[in-house]
Parts: sequence; structure tokens; C-alpha cells
Amino acid sequence: AQSVSQHNHHVILSEAASLELGCNYSYGGTVNLFWYVQYPGQHLQLLLKYFSGDPLVKGIKGFEAEFIKSKFSFNLRKPSVQWSDTAEYFCAVRGKTSYDKVIFGPGTSLSVIP
Amino acid sequence: DAGVIQSPRHEVTEMGQEVTLRCKPISGHNSLFWYRQTMMRGLELLIYFNNNVPIDDSGMPEDRFSAKMPNASFSTLKIQPSEPRDSAVYFCASSQPRLAGSSYEQYFGPGTRLTVT
Repeated sequence: AQSVSQHNHHVILSEAASLELGCNYSYGGTVNLFWYVQYPGQHLQLLLKYFSGDPLVKGIKGFEAEFIKSKFSFNLRKPSVQWSDTAEYFCAVRGKTSYDKVIFGPGTSLSVIP
Repeated sequence: DAGVIQSPRHEVTEMGQEVTLRCKPISGHNSLFWYRQTMMRGLELLIYFNNNVPIDDSGMPEDRFSAKMPNASFSTLKIQPSEPRDSAVYFCASSQPRLAGSSYEQYFGPGTRLTVT
């Protein structure tokens, strides 16, 4: 079955702490992987994506993620979080054909304490 | 580009009334998705279209929900009759055609916050 799991439901960090949000997926075939962010009261926005090539991808606002194919993982990292990073983070996977739907994880709520 | 446009942004209606949510995808995008987001159930895919054709509507909760895409620039999600448990934020998203070298991520609209009393 196609699915995406995220390790943590809610994470609380102090400013300047390092962040790692876990994501694992189950999907037959080659995939595209995404992290989306949803700030309070707003819509989902793309943070970064993996399509092919270098498994370490860098996104906006200092975020990065590493695709480890053998582990079916795509963990999100940031070396030093800011209060403005408080948001909901969604991992997503999509197959490589136009007819493939996107499978979203349940989301991880990040609260950064000043 | 203006991005994905949704209307209305907020809708408050009484139980039993018909509700129609509208979406205009980004020009040139050929895939359109309708999602529902609630605190209890998170983000749920309701239905998606490719080239105006519904590909997967298995997420539509029941027959009270219907969606159409009469052309490449417009889609509607209709709930008839509406019920209080339909209260949620409904997002529309679109993505580009699957082309060589593209990763066709989704672009989300601002959402419609629906409240059914």
C-alpha cells in the first residue's frame, strides 16, 4: 500500500536548536519526494523537492532533506531553527507518471520557543 | 501568475444547504486536486483530475460530494446537502504536466474555510 509516515506528531524546540523531522514512505517504483510547510492560517507551500540526482536537496529558508533510497526515507533538517519556523510540515511522495496522485504524510507540528 | 485561485475564502451555511466551492488552477497546469483539511483527519485527498478528466475520486466521502472540471481553467466541488461534519478547510491544488526534467510539484490555493451550522 502507498503511504507516508512521519515520525513525530508534535515537536517543540528552542530557537537555535537543530531540527530533524523524520519521513518514511511506502511506494512501488521511482518517486518524487516533497516537503511542504503550512504556516498558521495559511496554505501549503513547497519547501523543497527531490526529483533525481544528488540525494541531498536544499530548499528555502535553510532547510535541507536527504533521500536515502535503501531506507525509504526523506528526513528534513535545519541546523538552527527560528521562531518563524513554527508551522506544520508535511512530507509527500508522488510517482513519476502524470496519473500518479500525491500521498501526504499526517504532518508534524513544529513549535519554536523564543 | 496569480497562483491557484479559490472562492469563496470563507463560507458559512446552514445544514441542508448546497455549497459550491470554486477553483481556478494556474494557467498551463493540467492536474487539479481537491483536498479537505481538519484537525481530526488531517489533509485528505478528495479527488483529482488530469486533463479535465477525474482520475481518482476514491477520497470523496459520500454521494453528497461531487466535483466537476468543465474546462482546463475551472473546477467546482459541490456538497449537497451539507452537514456540520463537512466543516473544514478545502484546498485546491494544481500541477504542471509531467514533462521530462520536471518534478511537477503541487501549488496550493489559499483554501476555502467552510462552516456548516
